Parts: sequence; structure tokens; C-alpha cells
Amino acid sequence: SAVISQKPSRDICQRGTSLTIQCQVDSQVTMMFWYRQQPGQSLTLIATANQGSEATYESGFVIDKFPISRPNLTFSTLTVSNMSPEDSSIYLCSVGPPVRYEQYFGPGTRLTVT
Amino acid sequence: QKEVEQDPGPLSVPEGAIVSLNCTYSNSAFQYFMWYRQYSRKGPELLMYTYSSGNKEDGRFTAQVDKSSKYISLFIRDSQPSDSATYLCAMSDSPHTGNQFYFGTGTSLTVIP
Repeated sequence: SAVISQKPSRDICQRGTSLTIQCQVDSQVTMMFWYRQQPGQSLTLIATANQGSEATYESGFVIDKFPISRPNLTFSTLTVSNMSPEDSSIYLCSVGPPVRYEQYFGPGTRLTVT
Repeated sequence: QKEVEQDPGPLSVPEGAIVSLNCTYSNSAFQYFMWYRQYSRKGPELLMYTYSSGNKEDGRFTAQVDKSSKYISLFIRDSQPSDSATYLCAMSDSPHTGNQFYFGTGTSLTVIP
């Protein structure tokens, strides 16, 4: 299994600002995933981040709003840009081997936008 | 219609009870079914997975899939206070990286000592 850490663990931000969330893994992984978990809603995949290539975004998510970096095989960042209260959520990164049902999740970043 | 439906609860049971958690789905192509457990302020952790129909048992946990009814269940026997968490079902038509997984909204469970 992989050990994943995220920073920050929580933050309160003002409308219109941006927040960058970091995800660090204790081993090299090919693919990392970013999810959003809103109260009462399903865990929703935002994008898949591959090292050395552009992230692949799911329907409803765009790079301008959620830019992602993946500079190496153990690290990724997700930026939530020009935030609004609707962006208040828990953001989770996860990693997994080619068989994805074994994916491991980080502890999450709890974001509140005021 | 959502791909996956899950009763959010909350569900509260006494210690030692048998707990039944359920999800229904609409996509008949789903073949891989997972249950994740998520403690408060933690990320989800994989509990069990099953492929296609049938039962799978792991200690006090049993996962059951009925593809004909598009219905999956997780049973917890002899429930313990440490089982108090949110349980998420997830499913996919493929386990391979790059394929979309569909999650339920989660059921909040509290086991009362």
C-alpha cells in the first residue's frame, strides 16, 4: 500500500482567491487522481494526473479552474482557482497500480470558501 | 438518474448487531464492485472488492452482488464501535487505470456500545 499526505489539511479562503493543494506519495506511482467530495454527494473524479503529460479532466472540470501539476512520480498539486462558495468541499488525491480498485486515498483537504 | 444510488442514512445500531448496507446501480456493464470505509477526517480505504456476481467474505464482512437486480450489499456481523464510519460503494466496468469509477454518496454508520 502507499502512504499519501496532503497539505494543507484544511483552509478557509476568500471568494476570488486561489488555493494550491499538495499531494505527496511515499513511493513512485504512474498515475495520481484528484477527487472532490461534497456533502451529500458522490466522490467525483476531477482529473487524472500523469507524470510528464497534461492532466486528463473529467466532464464538468476544466484546466483553467483546476490546474494540475505533476512534476515527478511522487508529487502532484491541484489548484482551485478564482474560488467561490460552491468550491467548498473536501479534495482528495489518490494513487493506484494499474488495477485501480486498489487505489489509496490521501486524508483530504477540507476547503471552505467564504 | 444517477449511476449509483446509496441510502445516506444515518444508520445507528447497537454493538453486536448485523448491519446491512446497500447500493443500486443502473449500468449493466458494471462488473467490478468495491466497498470503501471512510472514518471522519480521513480518506476512504478499500474494504472489499468483488468481481461480477456472488458473495465474498472477509472476517466479519461479506460483500454480495446481484447483477440481475443491479444491487450490491455489504454485511457487517457482530458490529463494533470501531466500525462507526461512512461506507462508500463504488463500481466500474473495468478495473484498469483510466476507467471511470462511480461512487455512491456513502452511508453513515454509528455502532453504539
